[in-house]
Amino acid sequence: AQSVAQPEDQVNVAEGNPLTVKCTYSVSGNPYLFWYVQYPNRGLQFLLKYITGDNLVKGSYGFEAEFNKSQTSFHLKKPSALVSDSALYFCAVRRPAGTASKLTFGTGTRLQVTL
Amino acid sequence: EAGVAQSPRYKIIEKRQSVAFWCNPISGHATLYWYQQILGQGPKLLIQFQNNGVVDDSQLPKDRFSAERLKGVDSTLKIQPAKLEDSAVYLCASSPWTERSYEQYFGPGTRLTVT
Repeated sequence: AQSVAQPEDQVNVAEGNPLTVKCTYSVSGNPYLFWYVQYPNRGLQFLLKYITGDNLVKGSYGFEAEFNKSQTSFHLKKPSALVSDSALYFCAVRRPAGTASKLTFGTGTRLQVTL
Repeated sequence: EAGVAQSPRYKIIEKRQSVAFWCNPISGHATLYWYQQILGQGPKLLIQFQNNGVVDDSQLPKDRFSAERLKGVDSTLKIQPAKLEDSAVYLCASSPWTERSYEQYFGPGTRLTVT
């Protein structure tokens, strides 16, 4: 079975400060990892993914994430937070393509950026 | 490119009534997903279609939920009869095809309230 843990229900950060949203995963084999963002009354929007290669992946809106295999983590980061980044963030994992594997989401972390 | 379309956006019904949701995926996307997102939780996959065939429906409560994707394009998800615990946002997503469905593209969702 595969699973994702997002240990923080909410992260608060001041605008201009760096932010980190944590994610750890459990899956057999090499993972495919994703971050999605959800704004109020809207569907999920894809931010970035790790499939293979460089452990640091860059995505939309200045976000990046670092894959750490030994710690089974895929934390989302941004050097300088904006108020408009306030939203609900979901980490997700699946097994590699070639298997009938589904995407498993974490419970989400609410990011609140204040002035 | 038009995104994933869903309707209705909101629905309120009484328990034991039936309800249907509609989804039109991004043109050319062979894979279609229905997710259930209960408040405070991450999306949970209900059913996955590849063209008009079912790939995974292991988490679909088949005694009350049904879904179809005739002609491999749009899809409907039905609940009959609804229970209070079915109150959730129902998200539809699509991706190009299963083996390379790295990113899934989500619709805005249908918020169902069962009273």
